[in-house]
Amino acid sequence: TQLLEQSPQFLSIQEGENLTVYCNSSSVFSSLQWYRQEPGEGPVLLVTVVTGGEVKKLKRLTFQFGDARKDSSLHITAAQPGDTGLYLCAGALHPAGSARQLTFGSGTQLTVLP
Amino acid sequence: GAGVSQTPSNKVTEKGKYVELRCDPISGHTALYWYRQSLGQGPEFLIYFQGTGAADDSGLPNDRFFAVRPEGSVSTLKIQRTERGDSAVYLCASSPQPLAAKETQYFGPGTRLLVL
Repeated sequence: TQLLEQSPQFLSIQEGENLTVYCNSSSVFSSLQWYRQEPGEGPVLLVTVVTGGEVKKLKRLTFQFGDARKDSSLHITAAQPGDTGLYLCAGALHPAGSARQLTFGSGTQLTVLP
Repeated sequence: GAGVSQTPSNKVTEKGKYVELRCDPISGHTALYWYRQSLGQGPEFLIYFQGTGAADDSGLPNDRFFAVRPEGSVSTLKIQRTERGDSAVYLCASSPQPLAAKETQYFGPGTRLLVL
């Protein structure tokens, strides 16, 4: 059983469309991160959220952390082919002062068609 | 570049053989992490080093897996008696601030291990 459930697992859309990816858990996280991974490369950090209810914007990407710090969403506006990739959410379960292993979701493979 | 580097990029071995995977973290980063990523899955935590010591090895699947970081910089992940189920991408990450809430882990490109 995945501690972090991501949905959808696969998403194929046309250029210019909007999309939302969800990351859900029954556990509370001290922080949650979103990564993007391209084939043959390691994940690259997009954003970190630490406060319940926090909303962060990165150009056309909007990230939200749930009030209870158990879930998060990534919304992309006007998707472009360059947004294609594997989007991963990852949470840090342990409180500050403990080991910082990240628990990853299984990822959402996004394909944006021109 | 100044990023995390991993060698080899690809490794093919036979079942039962021993392999070593190397990670060069970003200079000055005290924390180093190993993850394993199977096809279609997110990375799974294996082990975390703070300096030279393994602060958390709870993710190592069994005693065939071992990792070292003798001088607090380069780390080697060692797998004995490899099995086909060990086939995966092994990712290394490093971080300058392991205990900060907004810690950023910088990932290397990974080593793709295939056990035949």
